[in-house]
Amino acid sequence: KAGVTQTPRYLIKTRGQQVTLSCSPISGHRSVSWYQQTPGQGLQFLFEYFSETQRNKGNFPGRFSGRQFSNSRSEMNVSTLELGDSALYLCASSFGLTGNPTNEKLFFGSGTQLSVL
Amino acid sequence: GEDVEQSLFLSVREGDSSVINCTYTDSSSTYLYWYKQEPGAGLQLLTYIFSNMDMKQDQRLTVLLNKKDKHLSLRIADTQTGDSAIYFCAETPPGSSASKIIFGSGTRLSIRP
Repeated sequence: KAGVTQTPRYLIKTRGQQVTLSCSPISGHRSVSWYQQTPGQGLQFLFEYFSETQRNKGNFPGRFSGRQFSNSRSEMNVSTLELGDSALYLCASSFGLTGNPTNEKLFFGSGTQLSVL
Repeated sequence: GEDVEQSLFLSVREGDSSVINCTYTDSSSTYLYWYKQEPGAGLQLLTYIFSNMDMKQDQRLTVLLNKKDKHLSLRIADTQTGDSAIYFCAETPPGSSASKIIFGSGTRLSIRP
């Protein structure tokens, strides 16, 4: 079956703009999580959506928001972009039903590389 | 607190064993993971260990957990060029879903002939 699909693959924006990233999970997965990866801060958890509701949230400002649709696809939005928002944004999906990685293996997409100029 | 630390680089000769180390601070974490990231790709779960285990072996991979010292290691036997990647140690904080994972900074493994 198809893996986690993130679009677009690359994105260039300027400071002050906003951006929307998209993630299509593996069919049947209801949980979608977003991570930011930068050379300086590493991988940081942004938020998780399950059944269209935000279930977990990391420590990012309100400029970072997300949503999930009834088909489990998720979008992440960043408003008023700053230079420091340049990063690889990774999305991961899972069934989201239990905390056991035997049943809840997280599948990652290849990411969207965002550059803010 | 939540913090996972790893050394940044490791270079090994092809055919030798690689040992990647990690320390974590939250002793109540339930699961500890090793992820692999190849260039231009997302993360791939390699293996994980439940906190009440000391060791887990999966083909060429061996995970050792020392809960007293909060130390986790990944040993890759007979390291091959295809093992070149960044390896992330990670934990699930207590009370969090399996999706909220705290990652280390990653260890870049390079293989020399």
